[in-house]
Amino acid sequence: ETGVTQTPRHLVMGMTNKKSLKCEQHLGHNAMYWYKQSAKKPLELMFVYNFKEQTENNSVPSRFSPECPNSSHLFLHLHTLQPEDSALYLCASSQEGAGAIDTQYFGPGTRLTVL
Amino acid sequence: ILNVEQSPQSLHVQEGDSTNFTCSFPSSNFYALHWYRWETAKSPEALFVMTLNGDEKKKGRISATLNTKEGYSYLYIKGSQPEDSATYLCAFDYGGSQGNLIFGKGTKLSVKP
Repeated sequence: ETGVTQTPRHLVMGMTNKKSLKCEQHLGHNAMYWYKQSAKKPLELMFVYNFKEQTENNSVPSRFSPECPNSSHLFLHLHTLQPEDSALYLCASSQEGAGAIDTQYFGPGTRLTVL
Repeated sequence: ILNVEQSPQSLHVQEGDSTNFTCSFPSSNFYALHWYRWETAKSPEALFVMTLNGDEKKKGRISATLNTKEGYSYLYIKGSQPEDSATYLCAFDYGGSQGNLIFGKGTKLSVKP
């Protein structure tokens, strides 16, 4: 247990659906992250929130919309996705906020399939 | 474009064998190197954060070394056990804007009993 939980663990959605991924960290950390792992590719950073403020958007398409209502929760809202968006989406958190040498603690991920 | 390479991609060893794998990263703008262990269907688990050239860290049977001048790190597992089976990821931290870690694709280790 890393102290970072993600729901749902698996999600299948059609291209016209709207869904949300949820991440919660129980570690009192100040920064939260969304990563994407596509098949045979390394983890890619999508978004960073530092003290609830979005500080990084790594050229992610607007069909992915993050939300961080407080320092413990992070959402990724999905709408009109494409089949190539099928991937494992991982959430992470770190203590110091981005910019420090700090360990990121990961959730188990949501396996997303877009039909 | 910053690139992190890990080799081999996969590795099959017998229980009791010792093994090692490599992470190569840019030798400039080095800030830190992270190693993670990722078992299937679980969360990636942090193993080490390494910052100094020549650093060596150890956790049980697992150890890691760091050479920032030539841009590589080795991860060693002594006397592999089936429970060591996992994907081992390294991530290069270049001190970029906001917590940007550049991950390698990982080395998938399978240990047969």
